[in-house]
Amino acid sequence: NAGVTQTPKFRVLKTGQSMTLLCAQDMNHEYMYWYRQDPGMGLRLIHYSVGEGTTAKGEVPDGYNVSRLKKQNFLLGLESAAPSQTSVYFCASSGGSSFRSTDTQYFGPGTRLTVL
Amino acid sequence: RKEVEQDPGPFNVPEGATVAFNCTYSNSASQSFFWYRQDCRKEPKLLMSVYSSGNEDGRFTAQLNRASQYISLLIRDSKLSDSATYLCVVNGASGGSYIPTFGRGTSLIVHP
Repeated sequence: NAGVTQTPKFRVLKTGQSMTLLCAQDMNHEYMYWYRQDPGMGLRLIHYSVGEGTTAKGEVPDGYNVSRLKKQNFLLGLESAAPSQTSVYFCASSGGSSFRSTDTQYFGPGTRLTVL
Repeated sequence: RKEVEQDPGPFNVPEGATVAFNCTYSNSASQSFFWYRQDCRKEPKLLMSVYSSGNEDGRFTAQLNRASQYISLLIRDSKLSDSATYLCVVNGASGGSYIPTFGRGTSLIVHP
């Protein structure tokens, strides 16, 4: 039982390049989330998904796209990377088959992205 | 004004001290509340959920005050290993889902 995994762990991009971050969970969770964490800013929600085939915008969605084609995977795409997207990206999952506000989140180890 | 606010600290305390953090939230319809712990350059991990009646887990006590819209975390007999950033998380309902909002975190440094 690996929990939540993220690939890659580190990446350096040049401005304008694209990339996809992969998040996978093996806990059969319905909810999945992508956050970014910047110094002094805490975790900010980029996009989230409440089930396979669904996605929704969070607090800071601009410049990112997501897809949830399989329940266990949640992909975050950067179509044209900008230096402002330099950050640590965390994926998380939570929730069983019924929505409960008390479900806690389990986080992946993070992806450190630098855009030059 | 940010929806969830915390004093960033750092709180610098000696081993054995008692330290308390507060977190205020602005959405009165918030459903559930949590404290997470984050070590340097690591992912956040759940420390404890916060229940209306208050709850305790060993040296840690969490309280919720819905009337004043804040939650608190009390750490007794601080250990060096308690040094970390403590994140307050508030879940609010949004279109049938529960969306978490994180505070910016409070840094705790426990020294010998």
